[in-house]
Amino acid sequence: DQQVKQNSPSLSVQEGRISILNCDYTNSMFDYFLWYKKYPAEGPTFLISISSIKDKNEDGRFTVFLNKSAKHLSLHIVPSQPGDSAVYFCAAGGTGTASKLTFGTGTRLQVTL
Amino acid sequence: NAGVMQNPRHLVRRRGQEARLRCSPMKGHSHVYWYRQLPEEGLKFMVYLQKENIIDESGMPKERFSAEFPKEGPSILRIQQVVRGDSAAYFCASSPDRVAYYGYTFGSGTRLTVV
Repeated sequence: DQQVKQNSPSLSVQEGRISILNCDYTNSMFDYFLWYKKYPAEGPTFLISISSIKDKNEDGRFTVFLNKSAKHLSLHIVPSQPGDSAVYFCAAGGTGTASKLTFGTGTRLQVTL
Repeated sequence: NAGVMQNPRHLVRRRGQEARLRCSPMKGHSHVYWYRQLPEEGLKFMVYLQKENIIDESGMPKERFSAEFPKEGPSILRIQQVVRGDSAAYFCASSPDRVAYYGYTFGSGTRLTVV
């Protein structure tokens, strides 16, 4: 049962343009959502999170939007840079899940020159 | 300021052998989590530990897998009698408290190959 889904396995964007990565979830009990970035042969690195009581959170070039009614969140990266090329994982957690995070399968972002 | 240290980075085991994966959390972090990533999949939660206690092991396979986080020393994920399906990247993460909202810190992982 895949509670967190990233339906696009890959995305290619030109440098300087906006990258939009999407994530859907099925469990209404999730209290917060996170995005992680992962380079090959490294562990995931935390990027940004959002609480379920908010609909937007911004940190520099990264903005996460949450649409609770649609059970959908997205990560916007503006402007995209070649160093952003990586796999991005959406994750979800809840106060009832003792810090356990449920991850999506990831979207591979390629930022081209 | 060392991050989460995992060793070994790569581990090759023959079917039936034991695999021991080690994780030293960041300084000041007393909460440790183990996740597994199978090829082409996302990370799957395995177990959450605090010093000397297993808090949540709902993601651990019922047999052959065990984890500990002793009072002294690193956390250990132990896989007995490994099979080919255990081949995966195993990631450890740590945090200073039980709230994951601020993101845990992950190690670089141990890539286990069973031959």
